[in-house]
Amino acid sequence: SQQGEEDPQALSIQEGENATMNCSYKTSINNLQWYRQNSGRGLVHLILIRSNEREKHSGRLRVTLDTSKKSSSLLITASRAADTASYFCATDGEETSGSRLTFGEGTQLTVNP
Amino acid sequence: GAGVSQSPSNKVTEKGKDVELRCDPISGHTALYWYRQSLGQGLEFLIYFQGNSAPDKSGLPSDRFSAERTGGSVSTLTIQRTQQEDSAVYLCASTQDRVLQYFGPGTRLTVT
Repeated sequence: SQQGEEDPQALSIQEGENATMNCSYKTSINNLQWYRQNSGRGLVHLILIRSNEREKHSGRLRVTLDTSKKSSSLLITASRAADTASYFCATDGEETSGSRLTFGEGTQLTVNP
Repeated sequence: GAGVSQSPSNKVTEKGKDVELRCDPISGHTALYWYRQSLGQGLEFLIYFQGNSAPDKSGLPSDRFSAERTGGSVSTLTIQRTQQEDSAVYLCASTQDRVLQYFGPGTRLTVT
């Protein structure tokens, strides 16, 4: 079954606005990560939040994790056109071997200049 | 230092042919992963190598898929008798700490 599910599937905003993307998962996790992907190619790691953490910041990024609801959110503040990309959450489950990541299907973010 | 590299960046092949995709991980990274991404989808785990341990092949979709990692470094993913449903971007990642994975740019495979 699909571990991570992001919503919305697509989000279009104006430059300067904030963008919020959500991710839900099904099983217990060790950590949850957010990745960014431009043009369907390589992924770039953005931020990792461990299962015992509730919130983490990195620059314009803020990630929250609610393990009771098995959900996470990624907030990008003061968005820029260069933030246009697909964003994926990925979980490292307690039950999976080798820390393989289970990805959601992603949110396509478009930031209009 | 250099990141993860993959070759070729694009590959077009005819149905029924075999293909080999290559991944050069970051030097010193002991773990290497292969993922597949179909158009508009998330990443699907294929196979995982850790040091000299037996690889975790549980994500390979059929026996047409195989992978090896020589000398604990370069890895090759082989798809035999390619089918149109094999068309996807194949991504490789490596890690030192089994937490933070560094991804290559991927190989876009198109089976005609």
